[in-house]
Amino acid sequence: EAAVTQSPRSKVAVTGGKVTLSCHQTNNHDYMYWYRQDTGHGLRLIHYSYVADSTEKGDIPDGYKASRPSQENFSLILELASLSQTAVYFCASSEGLGASAETLYFGSGTRLTVL
Amino acid sequence: GQQVKQSSPSLTVQEGGISILNCDYENDMFDYFAWYKKYPDNSPTLLISVRSNVDKREDGRLTVFLNKSGKHFSLHITASQPEDTAVYLCAAGLNQGGSAKLIFGEGTKLTVSS
Repeated sequence: EAAVTQSPRSKVAVTGGKVTLSCHQTNNHDYMYWYRQDTGHGLRLIHYSYVADSTEKGDIPDGYKASRPSQENFSLILELASLSQTAVYFCASSEGLGASAETLYFGSGTRLTVL
Repeated sequence: GQQVKQSSPSLTVQEGGISILNCDYENDMFDYFAWYKKYPDNSPTLLISVRSNVDKREDGRLTVFLNKSGKHFSLHITASQPEDTAVYLCAAGLNQGGSAKLIFGEGTKLTVSS
């Protein structure tokens, strides 16, 4: 079965520290995404990628970097974590082609708390 | 501004009743509309989706209605059951070269009471 796995499941970070969230998919999908979830905002797109070694900015990229070293792996990097980045982060993948091109398959989420 | 908006943060329906969840969008170029379901501490999963060339799509107890002129779409759940209790996220997007850059609404928490 297709799967998107995220690590860690939860993390506590200090303000100003570096945080890396990892995502691995076995769907053989070209597209991968990072969303954050905040109360009252639903899911907001941070970065996405449609091919290895390339990333694109989403709607709220400030304060985040992304890395796609391979088709299967997509990381989200917070170089200088801030309190406002406390949220739940979801990784997702999609085929990008065909009848189900837009269907997003989400990971279980990473709960990040910045203190 | 919020491009995709769910005006009702919560909704309570009696078991067996019809749940109606609403979503408004701003960009009339959107050509894909979807509803995702999310249980607490779980990931969102796709329930049903439509493209802009249809006004309605049914799948079992679920029906999506799309009103393009009103920039509005809704999800109807008939014979609502307690296990339908969850957060429902609407999403809309424009397929550009295969990218599913979906924009999500804030979510509506549906509670089905028995």
